[in-house]
Amino acid sequence: GAVVSQHPSWVICKSGTSVKIECRSLDFQATTMFWYRQFPKQSLMLMATSNEGSKATYEQGVEKDKFLINHASLTLSTLTVTSAHPEDSSFYICSASKGTIGSPLHFGNGTRLTVT
Amino acid sequence: AQTVTQSQPEMSVQEAETVTLSCTYDTSESDYYLFWYKQPPSRQMILVIRQEAYKQQNATENRFSVNFQKAAKSFSLKISDSQLGDAAMYFCAYRSSFQGGSEKLVFGKGTKLTVNP
Repeated sequence: GAVVSQHPSWVICKSGTSVKIECRSLDFQATTMFWYRQFPKQSLMLMATSNEGSKATYEQGVEKDKFLINHASLTLSTLTVTSAHPEDSSFYICSASKGTIGSPLHFGNGTRLTVT
Repeated sequence: AQTVTQSQPEMSVQEAETVTLSCTYDTSESDYYLFWYKQPPSRQMILVIRQEAYKQQNATENRFSVNFQKAAKSFSLKISDSQLGDAAMYFCAYRSSFQGGSEKLVFGKGTKLTVNP
């Protein structure tokens, strides 16, 4: 159990366009989902925390108008990179929590975004 | 704020040997959870092992075990009988445990483990 599906696995888009990444918890209800960004050979950097039905909480330095997060249901959160630029090219990973204190986070497979 | 430090950017081990990856953390909380995650080349984050701070007994999962030293704020991972499939980036992570605390994971910078045949 505790499967998190992330789609797409990779996407190439042109500069100035927007890209939506979906994160779904397939067999559990995720009260909280997290979005991370990972640069090559680096650790995961938390971008934002989203709770179902409420606005996302963004980490310091993350532009909320550029990285739109929606957590419309207990099984789906989306990250939209608006007006993408080459510097937004990165690996984006979502994770989901069942809401039990101390339970591990379950991660999606990640999305490789390349902006040309 | 909590911080997690992994002081070994890279480590290598011979197949079938044992290797220990280091992790230290800083927190003012008395109760929390610690994790080791593995990230192979596929980039999928895989949970290796989990430790509850209020438990003195070190967690073990088959060939993986931890040495949890709460006073020293140290949480090392030991991999016994290393296998080629153990080659990956390993991340140490901290998570608050009290109600109202953040569920987010704070990650260390990672240790790249190479397993030599």
